[in-house]
Amino acid sequence: ETGVTQSPTHLIKTRGQQVTLRCSSQSGHNTVSWYQQALGQGPQFIFQYYREEENGRGNFPPRFSGLQFPNYSSELNVNALELDDSALYLCASNSKRAGAVNEQFFGPGTRLTVL
Amino acid sequence: DQQVKQNSPSLSVQEGRISILNCDYTNSMFDYFLWYKKYPAEGPTFLISISSIKDKNEDGRFTVFLNKSAKHLSLHIVPSQPGDSAVYFCAASALNGGATNKLIFGTGTLLAVQP
Repeated sequence: ETGVTQSPTHLIKTRGQQVTLRCSSQSGHNTVSWYQQALGQGPQFIFQYYREEENGRGNFPPRFSGLQFPNYSSELNVNALELDDSALYLCASNSKRAGAVNEQFFGPGTRLTVL
Repeated sequence: DQQVKQNSPSLSVQEGRISILNCDYTNSMFDYFLWYKKYPAEGPTFLISISSIKDKNEDGRFTVFLNKSAKHLSLHIVPSQPGDSAVYFCAASALNGGATNKLIFGTGTLLAVQP
């Protein structure tokens, strides 16, 4: 059973550019969530996808968008990058079951630096 | 508005002794709580969880206690080992608050277990 994987590991962009981060969910998981972890902070929820549709969103502007594919892999896209977008971006997957909260399993993250 | 708080940024404990990590929350809708451990350059790893219908959950060396009236939970590690040195995040979720079991994280506590 493979765990959650993310690519790339590190990325450097300049202000105003666009970036796409990728995540491959753990086998058998149908739900993916994305989190942003700034330095010295805990992860903050960006959004969640379930069966290819957005299933909840945190307090992030529309320039943060995502996709989930039929094989449950996922992308996080950020447009018009700002310096404050520099952070560790974490992807987490779980298997959604009605009436249950499931532990989310995290990937190693992508470290994004915006200059 | 920090809904989950970990007021101790760091904790140092001797090997073999008990480590106690604390977490407070403000949202009474939270009904599921989790602890994650994070090593540098890795994603958070799930440790242990507790539902709001319980006040204690134990798994090997790890025990989580929940005091709903005080909106407080704690993680006990006995005995502490040098390999336990990591950042520990407390997270909360409101299952009955919606279909999205997004996790709200605290800011983390860096545990250092001295040999």
